[in-house]
Amino acid sequence: AQSVTQLDSQVPVFEEAPVELRCNYSSSVSVYLFWYVQYPNQGLQLLLKYLSGSTLVESINGFEAEFNKSQTSFHLRKPSVHISDTAEYFCAVSEPGNAGNMLTFGGGTRLMVKP
Amino acid sequence: ETGVTQSPTHLIKTRGQQVTLRCSSQSGHNTVSWYQQALGQGPQFIFQYYREEENGRGNFPPRFSGLQFPNYSSELNVNALELDDSALYLCASSLAPTGWDGYTFGSGTRLTVV
Repeated sequence: AQSVTQLDSQVPVFEEAPVELRCNYSSSVSVYLFWYVQYPNQGLQLLLKYLSGSTLVESINGFEAEFNKSQTSFHLRKPSVHISDTAEYFCAVSEPGNAGNMLTFGGGTRLMVKP
Repeated sequence: ETGVTQSPTHLIKTRGQQVTLRCSSQSGHNTVSWYQQALGQGPQFIFQYYREEENGRGNFPPRFSGLQFPNYSSELNVNALELDDSALYLCASSLAPTGWDGYTFGSGTRLTVV
């Protein structure tokens, strides 16, 4: 069975500092990997995804994540954060062909950007 | 593109009652998935509907049931509510069952069972 561990429940960081949100997964087969962001009182928005190809994927707002198969990780990074990046971030994994194509989410990491 | 709309936004029910939550999928999306997000946790998969048929189910009891209609709107029904059913319920639609283009999530219905 697939599972996802987000190692940090909260990450405080100052504005314009770099940040890394860690995600490790467990699966016996190849997986697809996702990062979603949730702003207060809103649903989840897809930030970026890895399906195949280049192991480094980027989002339009400066985030990037690297798929590391040997370490079963998919850490999210941003070189310089803004106040507006304050939100809850969820890493998710899906095994192609699983019932319902379900996403298995980690417990989330609350990114708190301070001025 | 209208996005995913869920109703109601908030709901309070008594233990033992039944509840129906509604979702209007993004235009053209023929697949809808439902997730339960307990406070402080990540969402958990309840089930998925594709072309009005259940297409997969997570580890939830049968008192959680769903419907998908030809116009791609859908419902989540929960019978015999328990206190632990208190959570944010998220509906997500996608162009295809795989959702690899990314699910579009609604803002959710926050259910409180007292």
